[in-house]
Amino acid sequence: EPEVTQTPSHQVTQMGQEVILRCVPISNHLYFYWYRQILGQKVEFLVSFYNNEISEKSEIFDDQFSVERPDGSNFTLKIRSTKLEDSAMYFCASSNLPGLELYFGPGTRLTVL
Amino acid sequence: KQEVTQIPAALSVPEGENLVLNCSFTDSAIYNLQWFRQDPGKGLTSLLLIQSSQREQTSGRLNASLDKSSGRSTLYIAASQPGDSATYLCAVRPGRGNNRLAFGKGNQVVVIP
Repeated sequence: EPEVTQTPSHQVTQMGQEVILRCVPISNHLYFYWYRQILGQKVEFLVSFYNNEISEKSEIFDDQFSVERPDGSNFTLKIRSTKLEDSAMYFCASSNLPGLELYFGPGTRLTVL
Repeated sequence: KQEVTQIPAALSVPEGENLVLNCSFTDSAIYNLQWFRQDPGKGLTSLLLIQSSQREQTSGRLNASLDKSSGRSTLYIAASQPGDSATYLCAVRPGRGNNRLAFGKGNQVVVIP
């Protein structure tokens, strides 16, 4: 069964450093998303991406964040200058059409020291 | 702003008992609702997607009901097993073209053998 994959599973970084989280969505999906979950809190939406551009972003997704689909299979989330409060589990998701079921990856646990 | 609440936050049941997990949302203008399972430190596995026009959706031992007008969904798990131990998350989608899911905090379930 096709699945969303994410790398790395765990990333530890120093405050102020740049990180890139990588995702490979399901191959025939067209809509891609990033969500995050701070420990003990709700899963929250960051950004949605379609047709090589951001279709929607949340208040969390400020200028420190960016997304890219550098090739036909990868989808990345970059945090330019990490802060302590960026520590969270970051989930990538994809769907075939808007409004349909979202399929989530296993997540990348980001720890900012 | 859509608020999603899940009650109870945590519960333990003996193996074989039926599980009833509740999700409520403040804005009844939803497109659909998705139930997920999350194992500790892991990603989200989609269980059921129920459209706003549907009253219920079934998959194996799982049944999800939706009462859109009263802002409620219930996930029933029949004849629980220790392998059902996980956190169950409810997420609502506000519109067809909007994939900004609003999540509840989850129902943490332990099934005691």
